[in-house]
Amino acid sequence: KQEVTQIPAALSVPEGENLVLNCSFTDSAIYNLQWFRQDPGKGLTSLLLIQSSQREQTSGRLNASLDKSSGRSTLYIAASQPGDSATYLCAVTPGSNYQLIWGAGTKLIIKP
Amino acid sequence: NAGVTQTPKFQVLKTGQSMTLQCAQDMNHEYMSWYRQDPGMGLRLIHYSVGAGITDQGEVPNGYNVSRSTTEDFPLRLLSAAPSQTSVYFCASSYGDRGNEKLFFGSGTQLSVL
Repeated sequence: KQEVTQIPAALSVPEGENLVLNCSFTDSAIYNLQWFRQDPGKGLTSLLLIQSSQREQTSGRLNASLDKSSGRSTLYIAASQPGDSATYLCAVTPGSNYQLIWGAGTKLIIKP
Repeated sequence: NAGVTQTPKFQVLKTGQSMTLQCAQDMNHEYMSWYRQDPGMGLRLIHYSVGAGITDQGEVPNGYNVSRSTTEDFPLRLLSAAPSQTSVYFCASSYGDRGNEKLFFGSGTQLSVL
């Protein structure tokens, strides 16, 4: 059974730092992997989607990488800002069906 | 540009009561789904629909019913609320169901069952 883990559960860093969020999954047979952002009291917003054949995707200050063989993905945030404070979740689409399997998220706090 | 609209935002129920969580999207998406989010856990899929008249169960369907009479609406019914159903509920939609399309979420319904 596919399981998705995000460690740490919470992270606090000073403004301006570059940081990496981690996502690991137990079954490398995935269709794709997505990163989402969740703000308090709001829904989730899709940030990046990486197909299984891709190694990385970039959007502005965000870069997501995928290493299927090791079951890992990272979300790199450059020059962090207080507005980046949110919970970041990753989810994989298994190769056997198209229903997302979610990690519990990393709560990120950027201190001014 | 409404996107995915969920109502209500907050609800308190007593054990045994029933209610319907509403979800509507204006993007002509075929795929709609309901998730619940509990502290320390990932989102779990309750039910989903790949088009009007078609619904299927997700990971945790017990105690919930859905129907999809139109493309726009996908209500979630709690038949007899239990404290274990205290959670935050999210509705989501996308153009297709193949996992390649961007998933759009509503702002959530916080439900407490006493």
